Parts: sequence; C-alpha cells; structure tokens
Amino acid sequence: GQNIDQPTEMTATEGAIVQINCTYQTSGFNGLFWYQQHAGEAPTFLSYNVLDGLEEKGRFSSFLSRSKGYSYLLLKELQMKDSASYLCACMDSNYQLIWGAGTKLIIKP
Amino acid sequence: IAGITQAPTSQILAAGRRMTLRCTQDMRHNAMYWYRQDLGLGLRLIHYSNTAGTTGKGEVPDGYSVSRANTDDFPLTLASAVPSQTSVYFCASSDSSGSGELFFGEGSRLTVL
Repeated sequence: GQNIDQPTEMTATEGAIVQINCTYQTSGFNGLFWYQQHAGEAPTFLSYNVLDGLEEKGRFSSFLSRSKGYSYLLLKELQMKDSASYLCACMDSNYQLIWGAGTKLIIKP
Repeated sequence: IAGITQAPTSQILAAGRRMTLRCTQDMRHNAMYWYRQDLGLGLRLIHYSNTAGTTGKGEVPDGYSVSRANTDDFPLTLASAVPSQTSVYFCASSDSSGSGELFFGEGSRLTVL
C-alpha cells in the first residue's frame, strides 16, 4: 500500500534550526511536496522536489532522495510564526497526492 | 482577489439531512478537489475534477457526490449525513491535474449529530 510517515510533533527553540523528516512508499513517483498549515487555517504550498538534492527557498529548504524514499524540510532561523503543522505529500503514478498526517512544530522562545 | 471561497465555514447538521458545501474559485484553474481532514490522518481525497464537465472518485467517495458544471464551481453534496462525516472539508484547485501545487479554500467545519 501507499504510505507517508512523518513525526507527529516536534519542538524547537526560536532562532534555531529544525529538520522535519518524511519517508514515503508509493506506487510510482511524480514529486514530493511540503505544505504549511497554521492551526485553523488552510494548507499553503511550500516546496516541490522531483529530482534528488536540495531546493533552497529563503529560510526553508527541502531535500529529496528518491532511492531512499526520503525527504526532509529544513527550517532555519526559526521564528514564532513558524509554529504550524507541516504536511508532506507524494504524487503517485496516477498524479494523485498521497498525504502524510502532518508534523506539528512547536516553537519555544 | 478571492482565490477559493468555501461556504459555509461551519455547520452543525442532524444525521440524515442533506447538505451541500459550496466551493468557487476565480483563478480559472482546470482541476479542483475536495478533501477531508481528520485528526491524526492525512488529507484524504473525496472527489476530484480534472476539467469542467468531468469528475472522478478519490480515496473516500462513499456518501458524497460532486458536480462540475463550469470551471469556477465545484459543490460537494452529502445526500444523507452520518456522524462519521463530521470533519473539516477543504476545497482546492490547481492549474492542471498533474500539478501538486494546490490552492486551498479556508475550509468548512461540519459536525453531524
């Protein structure tokens, strides 16, 4: 079956760096996506990886290893506003997104 | 600039009642989706539409129906609501069916008693 695994919850300190991991098993692969979702709000798109390697976008970076079925989202210089859930999603061979349950990130001062 | 608008934002409904969640987008996106989000689970696709006039079933379609009469509107209907349909429902759109960059509405919180 298809499966996306990511930690349920993580805690980090303001100004620090945090890495949120995601492993996936899907039938086919057409890209790995990260979304941010603040409590009570809609998910918003953060990043997209289809080739191996690191994609950097400001304070956020996303990494992909297709051979390992693994991705991570790296958040630098954490700010209180980064407190949110981070959703990992994989696009399968039918171009359907398979979603992880999300990682709730708590930032402490 | 609205993006995607969902209505209602919140609703309490008696079991057995019929309910339609409305979704309208002004981005002229071809593809639209309905997801439900439940605590501890990932977003689950209910129905989708790759283009106006076509619809398809997602992972959890039972008890739900959709229509796509035009590009902008994609309503979701619960014919006879049951308590297990208590959830937060998100409508989303993308410029094409192969794009994973989705734009989401603000969600509709539905409680079925």
